[in-house]
Amino acid sequence: QQQVKQSPQSLIVQKGGISIINCAYENTAFDYFPWYQQFPGKGPALLIAIRPDVSEKKEGRFTISFNKSAKQFSLHIMDSQPGDSATYFCAASTGDSWGKLQFGAGTQVVVTP
Amino acid sequence: DGGITQSPKYLFRKEGQNVTLSCEQNLNHDAMYWYRQDPGQGLRLIYYSQIVNDFQKGDIAEGYSVSREKKESFPLTVTSAQKNPTAFYLCASRSGATDTQYFGPGTRLTVL
Repeated sequence: QQQVKQSPQSLIVQKGGISIINCAYENTAFDYFPWYQQFPGKGPALLIAIRPDVSEKKEGRFTISFNKSAKQFSLHIMDSQPGDSATYFCAASTGDSWGKLQFGAGTQVVVTP
Repeated sequence: DGGITQSPKYLFRKEGQNVTLSCEQNLNHDAMYWYRQDPGQGLRLIYYSQIVNDFQKGDIAEGYSVSREKKESFPLTVTSAQKNPTAFYLCASRSGATDTQYFGPGTRLTVL
């Protein structure tokens, strides 16, 4: 079964709007939570990552919010741009898992002009 | 120019044939991974290797094989035993300092 559940499957946002993608997990041993961005026909690229000792991390227009008690984390894309149109994946791994990432199913984001 | 290269970009295979996908990295990473991506699904782990001459099965290893004879190289063979091999295959390596996995550009395999 999927260890990381991601929603929504897809979303459409207007230019300048906020895109929000949510992920939930069950394994409390997860201690590393990255987000990847993937363009069609390309490999995923790391966007931003967080560890459970902080509740929020911001890099430019991208912010991860982390709620340890709820076992949820989310990606916020502020001031969304057409160039942000891509598929976004959340993932998680434990410290003793040899770096094996468990991926969510992905969210296709379309930013309209 | 550091990174991960995968070849070929597109690969066509007839049923019953084995094919080998290449993955090379010059990032000096010990750990390497192979993932399979199908439309509408996340990435699923096929095999991973933490060190030369050692590798472990991932979640969907059946019908696949790997080798790790050099630190830089981690080729994946898709055998005829893999019943549904048409997919996008991604190779990655991991930085031991940051845990970040860096992905190659992928190989799209199509079975004719």
